[in-house]
Amino acid sequence: KAGVTQTPRYLIKTRGQQVTLSCSPISGHRSVSWYQQTPGQGLQFLFEYFSETQRNKGNFPGRFSGRQFSNSRSEMNVSTLELGDSALYLCASSLVRFAGGRVYGYTFGSGTRLTVV
Amino acid sequence: KQEVTQIPAALSVPEGENLVLNCSFTDSAIYNLQWFRQDPGKGLTSLLLIQSSQREQTSGRLNASLDKSSGRSTLYIAASQPGDSATYLCAVRRGETSGSRLTFGEGTQLTVNP
Repeated sequence: KAGVTQTPRYLIKTRGQQVTLSCSPISGHRSVSWYQQTPGQGLQFLFEYFSETQRNKGNFPGRFSGRQFSNSRSEMNVSTLELGDSALYLCASSLVRFAGGRVYGYTFGSGTRLTVV
Repeated sequence: KQEVTQIPAALSVPEGENLVLNCSFTDSAIYNLQWFRQDPGKGLTSLLLIQSSQREQTSGRLNASLDKSSGRSTLYIAASQPGDSATYLCAVRRGETSGSRLTFGEGTQLTVNP
């Protein structure tokens, strides 16, 4: 059974550019969450999607956005990159049978390491 | 606002030792607690998931306990091995439905010396 797949694994971007990261959840998992991990702030919640709808959003500026497609794959986008956006971005998927249904444990991907120079 | 604290921040032990990692949370109204392992530069690997109604979960050499009323969880690792070296993170989830986020601790960095 394939795990959570994140692409690309590594990215180097210049300040001011924008970037799109992709996450393919485990087959059958309809909930996808995104987290940012930095040495100073630890793991911070970005947002969660279920059935193409954003269900929750963390405390990040509007430059951070995301979406989910009908096949549950998700993308997150960061516009006007800043040096402080350098981080490991982790995607997690979870089995949720229906909107408002019970969430089971999370499975994380290997992450995308974004470096902004 | 939920806050999760892990103690110690770092731990170095000789191979074969039994050890305990601690996790505390400020809001006892949780749905579940999950322990993860993270190797350097890698993603998170789920180790154990404890529902709020449970007291403990076991998997191989790992045992996690949960005392929801006191806001504490411990991860016990028996007969530690060098391959156990990693950062261990605990995370709590408040709600049972989608839209409820995980709140993570800062982690305990474990080194097991041969």
